[in-house]
Amino acid sequence: GESVGLHLPTLSVQEGDNSIINCAYSNSASDYFIWYKQESGKGPQFIIDIRSNMDKRQGQRVTVLLNKTVKHLSLQIAATQPGDSAVYFCAEAFTGGGNKLTFGTGTQLKVEL
Amino acid sequence: KAGVTQTPRYLIKTRGQQVTLSCSPISGHRSVSWYQQTPGQGLQFLFEYFSETQRNKGNFPGRFSGRQFSNSRSEMNVSTLELGDSALYLCASSQGPRGGEQFFGPGTRLTVL
Repeated sequence: GESVGLHLPTLSVQEGDNSIINCAYSNSASDYFIWYKQESGKGPQFIIDIRSNMDKRQGQRVTVLLNKTVKHLSLQIAATQPGDSAVYFCAEAFTGGGNKLTFGTGTQLKVEL
Repeated sequence: KAGVTQTPRYLIKTRGQQVTLSCSPISGHRSVSWYQQTPGQGLQFLFEYFSETQRNKGNFPGRFSGRQFSNSRSEMNVSTLELGDSALYLCASSQGPRGGEQFFGPGTRLTVL
């Protein structure tokens, strides 16, 4: 049958506001999590990662929170800029099995001026 | 360091043909993974190679195959192309065998007519 495109959830924020992008992961055995940013026509770009022995990690303007109890991951972007407009993917991995990543469906972030 | 490179960037083929895509990882990286990205299915794992050995394989038919050379460069091959194989094929490299940052190339856009 005809394939239907994935419906990407969209988050619209004003420039300068903080953004929070959420992700539910599926495998309770996953112990490594990554956030990627993908701009149109480009490959995914690594933003930040976190291992399962942590519940929070901070980078430059970004923070990742991990809640293993409910299998939830979030990415917080502080002072969102127009250049942050992109699709954001979370990915999970069970490192005992190598480098295979399982990706979420993605969230479109739109930054309004 | 140069990033992950993929060739060709764009490719147009017809049904029934076969295609070979190439990926050169970041220097020193020994793990190469391949992903297929489509609007309908999102980002899906194809396979992973580490030190010339396939360690993981996704849920794709046998028409999809790959290999890795001693210099860590990798190729993937798709035989008997179908319209549904039209996608962005992404390659990611990682230094170690598990749980490290994975860096993506720009992808090869394959169109099957």
